[in-house]
Amino acid sequence: DVKVTQSSRYLVKRTGEKVFLECVQDMDHENMFWYRQDPGLGLRLIYFSYDVKMKEKGDIPEGYSVSREKKERFSLILESASTNQTSMYLCASSLPPRGAEAFFGQGTRLTVV
Amino acid sequence: GDSVTQMEGPVTLSEEAFLTINCTYTATGYPSLFWYVQYPGEGLQLLLKATKADDKGSNKGFEATYRKETTSFHLEKGSVQVSDSAVYFCALSDQDGNQFYFGTGTSLTVIP
Repeated sequence: DVKVTQSSRYLVKRTGEKVFLECVQDMDHENMFWYRQDPGLGLRLIYFSYDVKMKEKGDIPEGYSVSREKKERFSLILESASTNQTSMYLCASSLPPRGAEAFFGQGTRLTVV
Repeated sequence: GDSVTQMEGPVTLSEEAFLTINCTYTATGYPSLFWYVQYPGEGLQLLLKATKADDKGSNKGFEATYRKETTSFHLEKGSVQVSDSAVYFCALSDQDGNQFYFGTGTSLTVIP
């Protein structure tokens, strides 16, 4: 089975801190995604990557950056955490062929105080 | 652009009731369609999918049929259980399979 693992289930950080959220997948998927999930807003795409060292902005990239140095690892970085970045963060991966589903990690609940 | 619209929640049903969660989509070309389920505190899990018109996806008693003429992919289950309580997301991937679009989710609570 495909496994997508996020490094933390719960995080509490202070305003202004630099925060790293790590995601690792074990099935050699080309595509990786970072979403944030907020009540009533569903999933919103922050960044995605189709290949190593490649990244594309999603719908809400402001305040975030990403890194993909290895195919299996996709990191989300909050350069200076703010309280409005308190959210559930979901990482996903997929293969490009049409019809293939996305596989999700268990999520990281980030609270910025 | 591509998008998904699904029924607003929350939905509360008694055990053994019939469930329908409506989902419609807007897309160019030939998208693939998915239903995901999210249990409390967890990530999303694939429930079922369909990749072409008139395909029916099914799993764990849930079904959905890809209707191109009505651009719909409604989720149904004939008899819900308490363990089905979760948030359900309708989603599509574009015809290249490189991008996913999600609905806002529908929260389902099943009471005994």
